[in-house]
Amino acid sequence: GQQLNQSPQSMFIQEGEDVSMNCTSSSIFNTWLWYKQDPGEGPVLLIALYKAGELTSNGRLTAQFGITRKDSFLNISASIPSDVGIYFCAGRGAAGNKLTFGGGTRVLVKP
Amino acid sequence: DAGVTQSPTHLIKTRGQQVTLRCSPKSGHDTVSWYQQALGQGPQFIFQYYEEEERQRGNFPDRFSGHQFPNYSSELNVNALLLGDSALYLCASSLSLYNEQFFGPGTRLTVL
Repeated sequence: GQQLNQSPQSMFIQEGEDVSMNCTSSSIFNTWLWYKQDPGEGPVLLIALYKAGELTSNGRLTAQFGITRKDSFLNISASIPSDVGIYFCAGRGAAGNKLTFGGGTRVLVKP
Repeated sequence: DAGVTQSPTHLIKTRGQQVTLRCSPKSGHDTVSWYQQALGQGPQFIFQYYEEEERQRGNFPDRFSGHQFPNYSSELNVNALLLGDSALYLCASSLSLYNEQFFGPGTRLTVL
């Protein structure tokens, strides 16, 4: 079945740093989504991308839908402590509204 | 405006038992999807309900079944529980089949 490979699996951030993560797929998706999940909560939608090549921003977050439709990346600029959490990419294909999720990128604070 | 709500929050069952989890969609939403999230992994799609019918199903055995009621709320039933069914079960709702999904806080199921 379809699989999304998300990297890195984890990263440490220092306040003010920029952060990047990406997601690749073996199959084409029509929509790419980025979610953030905090402990004890469900995923919260951050950004949705609907067209290949699309670049979309939401505050300090910027995401792009890859030209091949098989990848996407998320950037967080000038990170702050509340950016800590787990970020998931998700893809939606042509058939139905089923979401396929990546394994997540865990963002932690540098000690 | 209430978001997606799920009950119970936590549940402990033993192998072989059956469990029912409940979900109320966000106000105005008519479509409910269920996901299983094992510890340390991303959510996996179980199935989706629209107009009280199962519209799409992921790679889960028949032990997993569901229902949607006329008020759009939904139940997930799991029979003959296995240890591997221990996970966070997430419900997501959307306005119709093709709009973005909003997730509830989940039900943490532990099977002993």
